Amino acid sequence: ETGVTQTPRHLVMGMTNKKSLKCEQHLGHNAMYWYKQSAKKPLELMFVYNFKEQTENNSVPSRFSPECPNSSHLFLHLHTLQPEDSALYLCASSQEGGEDRGHEQYFGPGTRLTVT
Amino acid sequence: GQNIDQPTEMTATEGAIVQINCTYQTSGFNGLFWYQQHAGEAPTFLSYNVLDGLEEKGRFSSFLSRSKGYSYLLLKELQMKDSASYLCAVLDSNYQLIWGAGTKLIIKP
Repeated sequence: ETGVTQTPRHLVMGMTNKKSLKCEQHLGHNAMYWYKQSAKKPLELMFVYNFKEQTENNSVPSRFSPECPNSSHLFLHLHTLQPEDSALYLCASSQEGGEDRGHEQYFGPGTRLTVT
Repeated sequence: GQNIDQPTEMTATEGAIVQINCTYQTSGFNGLFWYQQHAGEAPTFLSYNVLDGLEEKGRFSSFLSRSKGYSYLLLKELQMKDSASYLCAVLDSNYQLIWGAGTKLIIKP
């Protein structure tokens, strides 16, 4: 248990569906992240939120839309996805602005997404 | 470009020692992390190095040489539960984590 929860754990959706992934952190951190993890590839950073403000958007297609209503919650809204978007989507949080160790990220268990 | 290299897969025997290497080329350096990820689970923090040298934590140790752009994770007295992927990540000059693809470690009895 890392203090970061994600729902759902598994999701199968068609290309025309709309769904949302949810992440919640119980650690009092001020930064939250969405990552995409595909087999045998490095973690791909998608979005970063610091103090609820989006600070990174690494050329992610517009079919992925993040939302951060407060510093504890992060959503990833999905619509008209493609089969190549099938992957493990990981949420993470960290405490930024402090000592070096503040950049340690705590991960949720991920949502295994399959697009059919 | 920024790059992290680590072996794709390694195999070791229960009770033995294994060293997982990581080399990096990044724009700036603010520390190197090792994470462990069991199949279907979240990556969990193992170690952080920002100065050259060896950091020991129980059965696991992590070494860093900034001049060589090199780190390794040393696992001693291997146990079956150590079978997992080990991810190397570098914090660059913008304090962004650059990740390697991970090393899948298989432990055999």
